[in-house]
Amino acid sequence: AQSVSQHNHHVILSEAASLELGCNYSYGGTVNLFWYVQYPGQHLQLLLKYFSGDPLVKGIKGFEAEFIKSKFSFNLRKPSVQWSDTAEYFCAVNAAFGNEKLTFGTGTRLTIIP
Amino acid sequence: NAGVTQTPKFQVLKTGQSMTLQCAQDMNHNSMYWYRQDPGMGLRLIYYSASEGTTDKGEVPNGYNVSRLNKREFSLRLESAAPSQTSVYFCASTSGRVPYEQYFGPGTRLTVT
Repeated sequence: AQSVSQHNHHVILSEAASLELGCNYSYGGTVNLFWYVQYPGQHLQLLLKYFSGDPLVKGIKGFEAEFIKSKFSFNLRKPSVQWSDTAEYFCAVNAAFGNEKLTFGTGTRLTIIP
Repeated sequence: NAGVTQTPKFQVLKTGQSMTLQCAQDMNHNSMYWYRQDPGMGLRLIYYSASEGTTDKGEVPNGYNVSRLNKREFSLRLESAAPSQTSVYFCASTSGRVPYEQYFGPGTRLTVT
């Protein structure tokens, strides 16, 4: 079975700071990886995904993530955050073949101070 | 195209009462899911349905039942609500095509007193 660790529970940054949120997964096979964002009071929306090809993937709103297979990591980055990025961010993984169920991390709450 | 819809948005129950949360999707997706979201615990899978007529337990199924009424609809029932079921419930669906990203509904905030 897969598992996902997000070690940063709450991150507080000032506007224009750079962001990196950690995500590590545990699974012996090939995986698909996702970052979802949940703005206050809203549902989860897909930010970006990786399933093959270039390990550096770009998503919406200037976010990107890099899949490093040797480190079992899929960290989320943004060079300059905005107040509107305040949200909760979830990393998720599923098996690339056969089992489509997603396993989510516990989430990282990001607060951006104007 | 509404995506995934859920009703109700908010609900307050007394311990022991029952209720059904409704979910529908208009994307012709085969698979549907029910999650609960609790602070500090992320999303935990309650039940899922890989296709019409099939359902399977997820990580936290106790106290819940589900029905996949047709391809569009997947309902979650609490037969006898308990305070531990106070949570936000999300329904999701997926197309069944790689990489199987899920699309989420707006959620139901349930409080059991």
